Amino acid sequence: DTAVSQTPKYLVTQMGNDKSIKCEQNLGHDTMYWYKQDSKKFLKIMFSYNNKELIINETVPNRFSPKSPDKAHLNLHINSLELGDSAVYFCASSHRTETQYFGPGTRLLVL
Amino acid sequence: KQEVTQIPAALSVPEGENLVLNCSFTDSAIYNLQWFRQDPGKGLTSLLLIQSSQREQTSGRLNASLDKSSGRSTLYIAASQPGDSATYLCAVLTGANNLFFGTGTRLTVIP
Repeated sequence: DTAVSQTPKYLVTQMGNDKSIKCEQNLGHDTMYWYKQDSKKFLKIMFSYNNKELIINETVPNRFSPKSPDKAHLNLHINSLELGDSAVYFCASSHRTETQYFGPGTRLLVL
Repeated sequence: KQEVTQIPAALSVPEGENLVLNCSFTDSAIYNLQWFRQDPGKGLTSLLLIQSSQREQTSGRLNASLDKSSGRSTLYIAASQPGDSATYLCAVLTGANNLFFGTGTRLTVIP
């Protein structure tokens, strides 16, 4: 029973396409997150979201948008994909400021 | 702006040795500090969480300390095993509920 799951695990697509990555958590957490891990393995927060507030890292292009259909899901939509978007994207969840639990990651390659 | 640094970037030790990983952060206004483990091609696994009011946390062979005033944390691993080989990441949680990650220490335990 995976606590935080992401689909797809791998995503290969052409420049300019629009794609989505799905994230689901079954931990009953109130806050979910998206992180980007670049080629140098550095992890950086993109968004944090609970049912009251979306906090966006100022460096994230507006081509990226999180959408939450319910408390257990936070999907990531990316428009007009660029080469530099190639990275591993991690979803995570937590109860308020407690330990964050991470998904297995989605490896995105933009050609 | 919060910056998190980990030293060393890579470490190789023979099996059975005790070791210390270091983490430093620039802004002491944190809620907590977390240590994670990341195996190649995998997601992150939370190891220890230290609240800002705490000095240390222990779990099995792992002990993490926190000196908030000086902006430092250490992760002590006792009696290292080959299965401990992974990248270890420290992260600090700020007021915006964002987790700022360090650059990681890649640990190799040689049998």
